[in-house]
Amino acid sequence: DAGVTQSPTHLIKTRGQHVTLRCSPISGHKSVSWYQQVLGQGPQFIFQYYEKEERGRGNFPDRFSARQFPNYSSELNVNALLLGDSALYLCASSLMTGVYNEQFFGPGTRLTVL
Amino acid sequence: KNQVEQSPQSLIILEGKNCTLQCNYTVSPFSNLRWYKQDTGRGPVSLTIMTFSENTKSNGRYTATLDADTKQSSLHITASQLSDSASYICVVSGKNTGNQFYFGTGTSLTVIP
Repeated sequence: DAGVTQSPTHLIKTRGQHVTLRCSPISGHKSVSWYQQVLGQGPQFIFQYYEKEERGRGNFPDRFSARQFPNYSSELNVNALLLGDSALYLCASSLMTGVYNEQFFGPGTRLTVL
Repeated sequence: KNQVEQSPQSLIILEGKNCTLQCNYTVSPFSNLRWYKQDTGRGPVSLTIMTFSENTKSNGRYTATLDADTKQSSLHITASQLSDSASYICVVSGKNTGNQFYFGTGTSLTVIP
């Protein structure tokens, strides 16, 4: 059974551009969460979606947005990229929402903003 | 402010030796605490999860302890192997923090032959 998959694996953008990152959860999982991990730091929570609805949002600017599709896959969009957006973006899936549910992480998308 | 702090920031040990990593948190009221292992450039993989009523949990050579009164947890690695080289992240969630998990900055462990 495939785990959480993310695409692309690596991405290079320039300041001001827009980026879309994609995530496919484990089959049967209905919740997807997005995290930003800057080099040398722990992941920071961005969004959680469950059944296509936003269930949680971290302290990120409105340039960050996300959505979840009927098949439970998800996209993270970042507008007007800044140098500080360079990070590993992690997607995690779980069966349901809630802090007791085990989260399974994908390999991440490495975004570099020049 | 809900925070998770880990120590040491980095650690180098000889293969076969034991080590203990520390995690202190301020998340309250507490729900559960997890330890993850993250290899370089990869997503974190869960090692253990403990709720308020549990004070120890083992997963092979990994043993986590929790003192909910002092808001401290430790991860003990026994008979370390080269493959244990990774970042170990402590993650805490609270009862009233919605669906948010609070991640520590991790301890970078290097096991050398």
